[in-house]
Amino acid sequence: DTAVSQTPKYLVTQMGNDKSIKCEQNLGHDTMYWYKQDSKKFLKIMFSYNNKELIINETVPNRFSPKSPDKAHLNLHINSLELGDSAVYFCASSQLQGSGELFFGEGSRLTVL
Amino acid sequence: GESVGLHLPTLSVQEGDNSIINCAYSNSASDYFIWYKQESGKGPQFIIDIRSNMDKRQGQRVTVLLNKTVKHLSLQIAATQPGDSAVYFCAENIPSSGSARQLTFGSGTQLTVLP
Repeated sequence: DTAVSQTPKYLVTQMGNDKSIKCEQNLGHDTMYWYKQDSKKFLKIMFSYNNKELIINETVPNRFSPKSPDKAHLNLHINSLELGDSAVYFCASSQLQGSGELFFGEGSRLTVL
Repeated sequence: GESVGLHLPTLSVQEGDNSIINCAYSNSASDYFIWYKQESGKGPQFIIDIRSNMDKRQGQRVTVLLNKTVKHLSLQIAATQPGDSAVYFCAENIPSSGSARQLTFGSGTQLTVLP
């Protein structure tokens, strides 16, 4: 069983479209995250939820909206996609907020044409 | 700005040799550091962590050294194997908004193990 699973793995779409990426963790963790990795492999945190509550909201465009329906799920919705949104988006979870040990999903590669 | 950085973007080593990957940080108040490994097409994976009350920590074939005086840490991999080929990130666990903490990742070093 995959601990942190995210779908879809690949997403190719046109500029201006709206898309969502879903994430689920079966580890019973309290905290979930979204990270963005650019073409140079730089990883940057976008959001973090702890027990369904948004606790970290980095400077990202408000076209990005996370949603956590329950502790095991954290979805990312992106409106009006732009070329610069092309990246690999990683979902992660940790047992507690503040833990240095994050469990990452396999990533969702978004390509905006 | 980015407070965690790496000295070398790429490192090639012969199979069986030891590898050393370096990382510098700028915030002297930083107290918790973590190393991650990212294989091609996969998400980052936790390797080992170290807190500022230690200067060395060992795991299976890996050792992390922390030098707080010069704000430098390194990851040493003993007897490097082909499966060690990956991008290695050092990360810093820092305070975020409120009482939250977050991981800030460095830019990564690509380790290539040569046969």
